[in-house]
Amino acid sequence: EAGVTQFPSHSVIEKGQTVTLRCDPISGHDNLYWYRRVMGKEIKFLLHFVKESKQDESGMPNNRFLAERTGGTYSTLKVQPAELEDSGVYFCASSQVGTDTDTQYFGPGTRLTVL
Amino acid sequence: DQQVKQNSPSLSVQEGRISILNCDYTNSMFDYFLWYKKYPAEGPTFLISISSIKDKNEDGRFTVFLNKSAKHLSLHIVPSQPGDSAVYFCAASATNNDMRFGAGTRLTVKP
Repeated sequence: EAGVTQFPSHSVIEKGQTVTLRCDPISGHDNLYWYRRVMGKEIKFLLHFVKESKQDESGMPNNRFLAERTGGTYSTLKVQPAELEDSGVYFCASSQVGTDTDTQYFGPGTRLTVL
Repeated sequence: DQQVKQNSPSLSVQEGRISILNCDYTNSMFDYFLWYKKYPAEGPTFLISISSIKDKNEDGRFTVFLNKSAKHLSLHIVPSQPGDSAVYFCAASATNNDMRFGAGTRLTVKP
């Protein structure tokens, strides 16, 4: 079974540019989460989709970040315009709805560098 | 390619006893290890971490042990409390900031 995939693995952009990160969850997983790891420390929650609906977006830092999940399959996270402090590693995770363990399967992350 | 494994999907412990959650990793480049705690309908929150230069880190009721030769770490919670019931994720990081997560272990602490 394929795991969670993220694209690209690395992205280097200049301040003011736009970047779009993509996450493909495990097939059949309705829950999709985005996280960010900044300064090499702990990860921070960004938002949670259930299918195509945003269940919780309390972690989104500001309106320069836009997440979508049209059709309830893959998700994109767009940063526009990017700022220096947006640099970090962005992780995506997915899980099934209604399981006992609420196990989240994480993707490998996208490392974003804003110059 | 599961570089971080939590082989026990669930664990049930009586209140007041010790909870031991285990995590194994395969990549010898990992040098920083973290544990996260997740309640239902919430994102994971950071719990405790340990650098590879140490073999133990303690914070209140939580202690993380690292055995580099065995590529194994564990989280001990003592005494366990009902509020500790959650899913616990193990994560490992390398100096290049690559980070891998385990699949999680659901801990249930019974009153």
